[in-house]
Amino acid sequence: GAGVSQSPRYKVAKRGQDVALRCDPISGHVSLFWYQQALGQGPEFLTYFQNEAQLDKSGLPSDRFFAERPEGSVSTLKIQRTQQEDSAVYLCASSLTGSLTYEQYFGPGTRLTVT
Amino acid sequence: AQSVAQPEDQVNVAEGNPLTVKCTYSVSGNPYLFWYVQYPNRGLQFLLKYITGDNLVKGSYGFEAEFNKSQTSFHLKKPSALVSDSALYFCAVRDRDYGGATNKLIFGTGTLLAVQP
Repeated sequence: GAGVSQSPRYKVAKRGQDVALRCDPISGHVSLFWYQQALGQGPEFLTYFQNEAQLDKSGLPSDRFFAERPEGSVSTLKIQRTQQEDSAVYLCASSLTGSLTYEQYFGPGTRLTVT
Repeated sequence: AQSVAQPEDQVNVAEGNPLTVKCTYSVSGNPYLFWYVQYPNRGLQFLLKYITGDNLVKGSYGFEAEFNKSQTSFHLKKPSALVSDSALYFCAVRDRDYGGATNKLIFGTGTLLAVQP
């Protein structure tokens, strides 16, 4: 079956521009996560949704970052007034339920480069 | 706070030899541990997990991991390495907060496995 998909795969933005990154989770998956992976590092948690409810946004680095999942399926991560330090790969993951025992399935990521 | 450590940035092994990628953890309570693999320009792929039960966990592509509570380790192993196993490997632990467990994963810094033909 189809896995997690993300678009665009690559995004170049000029400093100060707004960007929107899209995630299509696996159909029927309740939980959705966003992670940020800087070059040479492991992914770091940004935010978590269970259906349409954003239950944890403790990892969002600033108020320039905003995420939504209005209908409990597709999610969008928006970054306003991008800065160079926002350059990273943004990974989306989904999980069947909120149970702790279920693994997360990751998309290919969106590589954001801010110039 | 929960954390995992991967002490080796890179592991080199010859094809056909056994491989081990090390991971140690620091958690309060029972750990939920995971291994993921990342190929170039691709997302992370789930390999295996330890939740409870047998200390030896078997996963995808012939990989297995041994949970050792006394040494707080969860090393990834494979009896015979393949060139196609060359990739970046991440150990991860499920986070906990004061209310119990949350769902987010905390990842190590990754270990690059290079298998030489």
